[in-house]
Amino acid sequence: AQRVTQPEKLLSVFKGAPVELKCNYSYSGSPELFWYVQYSRQRLQLLLRHISRESIKGFTADLNKGETSFHLKKPFAQEEDSAMYYCALSGTGFQKLVFGTGTRLLVSP
Amino acid sequence: EPEVTQTPSHQVTQMGQEVILRCVPISNHLYFYWYRQILGQKVEFLVSFYNNEISEKSEIFDDQFSVERPDGSNFTLKIRSTKLEDSAMYFCATRSGTVQGYGYTFGSGTRLTVV
Repeated sequence: AQRVTQPEKLLSVFKGAPVELKCNYSYSGSPELFWYVQYSRQRLQLLLRHISRESIKGFTADLNKGETSFHLKKPFAQEEDSAMYYCALSGTGFQKLVFGTGTRLLVSP
Repeated sequence: EPEVTQTPSHQVTQMGQEVILRCVPISNHLYFYWYRQILGQKVEFLVSFYNNEISEKSEIFDDQFSVERPDGSNFTLKIRSTKLEDSAMYFCATRSGTVQGYGYTFGSGTRLTVV
């Protein structure tokens, strides 16, 4: 079974501080991992996918198969980063996305 | 960037009424999904649809729910007899048929309020 765990419900940091949003997963095959961001209950926007290995808005995430983790990082948080962040996993063959419970990031001035 | 369009953005309905939520997927996408998000809770999978049939559904997707692609473009979710607990944000998502394509693209959602 596919499972995504985001242990922190809320992460509160000051502007300019580093951020790490944790995500661990459970899947027996080769997963696709994603990070989605949701601003004020709007649409879910794709932030990162592990296949592309790119940096969006200063965020990066590395898939660690040994630790089954896909943590999201940003070296210097900005106030506009305040949002809900969801880690999600898809199995092979374009299966459904399974979401974690989300972490609310709050960046204070 | 291509978008997934959902209508209506907000629907209020009386308990027991039928509702149809509509989604216009990105034109070359082959895989379609419905998710829901009850206020303050996580995003939950409802159903996936490929090649004009359901490929997977969750335990939430019971007999009161149905999906179809009636005209080859729109992708609809029907709830036959709404209950109070169906109040939620419903998101449509689509994906292309290639791994190199984008990830899952979500629409802006329909906020369903059952009164």
